[in-house]
Parts: sequence; C-alpha cells; structure tokens
Amino acid sequence: GENVEQHPSTLSVQEGDSAVIKCTYSDSASNYFPWYKQELGKRPQLIIDIRSNVGEKKDQRIAVTLNKTAKHFSLHITETQPEDSAVYFCAATGGGADGLTFGKGTHLIIQP
Amino acid sequence: DGGITQSPKYLFRKEGQNVTLSCEQNLNHDAMYWYRQDPGQGLRLIYYSQIVNDFQKGDIAEGYSVSREKKESFPLTVTSAQKNPTAFYLCASRKGQGTGELFFGEGSRLTVL
Repeated sequence: GENVEQHPSTLSVQEGDSAVIKCTYSDSASNYFPWYKQELGKRPQLIIDIRSNVGEKKDQRIAVTLNKTAKHFSLHITETQPEDSAVYFCAATGGGADGLTFGKGTHLIIQP
Repeated sequence: DGGITQSPKYLFRKEGQNVTLSCEQNLNHDAMYWYRQDPGQGLRLIYYSQIVNDFQKGDIAEGYSVSREKKESFPLTVTSAQKNPTAFYLCASRKGQGTGELFFGEGSRLTVL
C-alpha cells in the first residue's frame, strides 16, 4: 500500500516569513495529492490539492509543487499570518485504491 | 444546510464494552470513510464504503466493524477486541470513488476508562 512521509513534524516561523512542508510518497500509481489544515479542536479542511498531470498549483498565498520522478510534493505558504497556525496534513491516493493515506502532520506555529 | 454529522462528540466506555459511533451525511455522497486520529500519528483509515451494502477494510480495521445499510449512514462499532480504542474518530465522505475532496465530520472522542 501507499506510505506517506511528512517533514518537519513542527515548524516555527516568524509572522510574514514563508513556510515549507515536504512530503514523499511510495506508490508511483498515486495521482491525487491534497493538503488539509486542521485547527485545534476542529475538523480537517482541504486547502489545496494537485493531480499528477500538473507540476504546480497556486491559490493566493498557498502553493503546492509536485515532482513525480522523485515522488515528493511540497506545500508553500508565503507571508504567513497568525491564522495560519494549525496542523497541516499531506495525503496521497490513486492507483486503484480508495481512501487517502495521510502523513503524520506538521504543527505550524506562527511567531508574532 | 448540508454536511456530515457525527455523534456523540464525547464518549466514555468501560473496558470490555462495545460502542457505536454515528455518522450521517446529507451531501448525497456515495463514498464514506472512517479515520482514527492519534497524537503524532496523522489520520489512519479504518474502513470505507463506496456503495450501499458494501464496505472494505482500511489499514487498521482489526477490532472495528461497520455497516452501510443506507447511503446517508455509516456507523462504526468499536468492539472489545480493539486493544487501544481511546482516540479521536473522524468520519468523512466523498462524492464519487477515487479522487476528490474529502468532507469531514467534527469527530467523536472516545475514552476508555
């Protein structure tokens, strides 16, 4: 089955700086890579996703890049703000299987 | 207002007891999922169902059971065979099979006393 590794487990950045979270996956047949944000005590919510036929996708301050050859994808958040503080999960799916396989999460802390 | 409703939000259970967590959705989604969340472990798939009266084991199905008698409902039973049941349980749904956004419920926190 699919295995997703996520780094770092905790990331602390100054407000206004950029944050980068990286994930690798094992199944070369995976073709869908979403990122979820979970605020304390709340449900995970999709913030951005990318499919395997695209190398990069942007949505305002958030971007995701995908390198299929290396089997890794990254989340980039620019001009970080206090409301970006949360746990972020990457995930992968596809190749005939159903259900997302999640990374273990990154706790992003925005320092004032 | 469409969405996924999980109940109860908090549940306490004595060792040796079975407990059932409810998950109902009114999004008309075909696929439904149960995930378990533990600190530092991410979300792990327990069971999923792509269609009524059919479901598949996920990565950590041992000690759990599910049913899918109606499209809207996908209850999870945590049995006494589950060795470490204390966790946060999340139900999710998706419109179709394969890829696409998962919509999550607010979760149920189970504590075994």
